[in-house]
Amino acid sequence: DAKTTQPNSMESNEEEPVHLPCNHSTISGTDYIHWYRQLPSQGPEYVIHGLTSNVNNRMASLAIAEDRKSSTLILHRATLRDAAVYYCILRGYSSNTGKLIFGQGTTLQVKP
Amino acid sequence: KAGVTQTPRYLIKTRGQQVTLSCSPISGHRSVSWYQQTPGQGLQFLFEYFSETQRNKGNFPGRFSGRQFSNSRSEMNVSTLELGDSALYLCASSLAGGYSYNEQFFGPGTRLTVL
Repeated sequence: DAKTTQPNSMESNEEEPVHLPCNHSTISGTDYIHWYRQLPSQGPEYVIHGLTSNVNNRMASLAIAEDRKSSTLILHRATLRDAAVYYCILRGYSSNTGKLIFGQGTTLQVKP
Repeated sequence: KAGVTQTPRYLIKTRGQQVTLSCSPISGHRSVSWYQQTPGQGLQFLFEYFSETQRNKGNFPGRFSGRQFSNSRSEMNVSTLELGDSALYLCASSLAGGYSYNEQFFGPGTRLTVL
């Protein structure tokens, strides 16, 4: 599975947008980009995923570079509840498994 | 719909003992995966079960084993516990487990402490 690189930590102010970057220079043409987050004392939860086009859902937006070698998770208005570890994960289109390979992720701190 | 449940939530064992952890997936989900989370190694994949068969396995010693029942509930067992097995053990379920777009739903985890 291709590897992803994320900054160890980021800070944000409450109610401001947050852009969480992820580099995946060895991504293959059939790899989907998934984001999960883990709130304190909880299991990870799905945030969003995409292949080529930018994606939006109620939690966040995912902006994917044209060459797909990087992506950015965008939280439009950070709240204190968004403080978590964010993981960027690649999954092959034909992946016949539930296996997720987690990196170290980005710890997001949100300041009031 | 109820989420993924794991029992027990907390467990204390001593070295050399064995332990069994349980996971009940979301109703209708057939794939169950297990992960170990430690401060040093982060989240690591243990194994995945689908329709009572182990479909994928991570890089863990044979002391770690699991199984899945016909109702999709899963158990994992760790024999001859070592201090390094102290961790948060997470279970995740999904509809089919395969395909890149299948969302994984995680339980709250079982915190295992080995003394």
